[in-house]
Amino acid sequence: SAVISQKPSRDICQRGTSLTIQCQVDSQVTMMFWYRQQPGQSLTLIATANQGSEATYESGFVIDKFPISRPNLTFSTLTVSNMSPEDSSIYLCSVVGAAADNEKLFFGSGTQLSVL
Amino acid sequence: RKEVEQDPGPFNVPEGATVAFNCTYSNSASQSFFWYRQDCRKEPKLLMSVYSSGNEDGRFTAQLNRASQYISLLIRDSKLSDSATYLCVVTSGGSYIPTFGRGTSLIVHP
Repeated sequence: SAVISQKPSRDICQRGTSLTIQCQVDSQVTMMFWYRQQPGQSLTLIATANQGSEATYESGFVIDKFPISRPNLTFSTLTVSNMSPEDSSIYLCSVVGAAADNEKLFFGSGTQLSVL
Repeated sequence: RKEVEQDPGPFNVPEGATVAFNCTYSNSASQSFFWYRQDCRKEPKLLMSVYSSGNEDGRFTAQLNRASQYISLLIRDSKLSDSATYLCVVTSGGSYIPTFGRGTSLIVHP
């Protein structure tokens, strides 16, 4: 299984500021995703982080609001820009395992974001 | 219609009970199926994959019915520690994009 280090684990931010969340994986992975989970809701896919190219965003999410970097196969960042209270949520990075863990998702521990 | 649907519950059962969850999916081309467990304020963790022939892991049994497009999870002899939200995850062919159900909440009480 893949081990993912995600940070920060939580943050409280002021409206209008930006927060960058980092995910470091202990092995090279092809597919990496960023999810959002609002209280009492399931996970919503924000985007697929592509190594060496622009992320692929799902409907309702745009690059200006959620810029994503993926400089290599073990690291990615998600920035939540110009935050508003509606952005308060848990943000999770996830990777697809390799070999015997193919198609299985492994998650970082999440970033709990509160925007005042 | 949502792609993956689950009864949100909560299912409130006594220790030792048997409980079953169902999950329906709308995309007939779906290829892979999983159950994940999520504890409060924690990340989801893989519980088990679901295979066409059905599979069992200790007290947990997962089954897939492709004709009716649903998967199920059966938990026997429930433990207090089974209390969590159980997420159904479905992936489709082509580009791998997993779709999550909203989860079913289970509460096991003494």
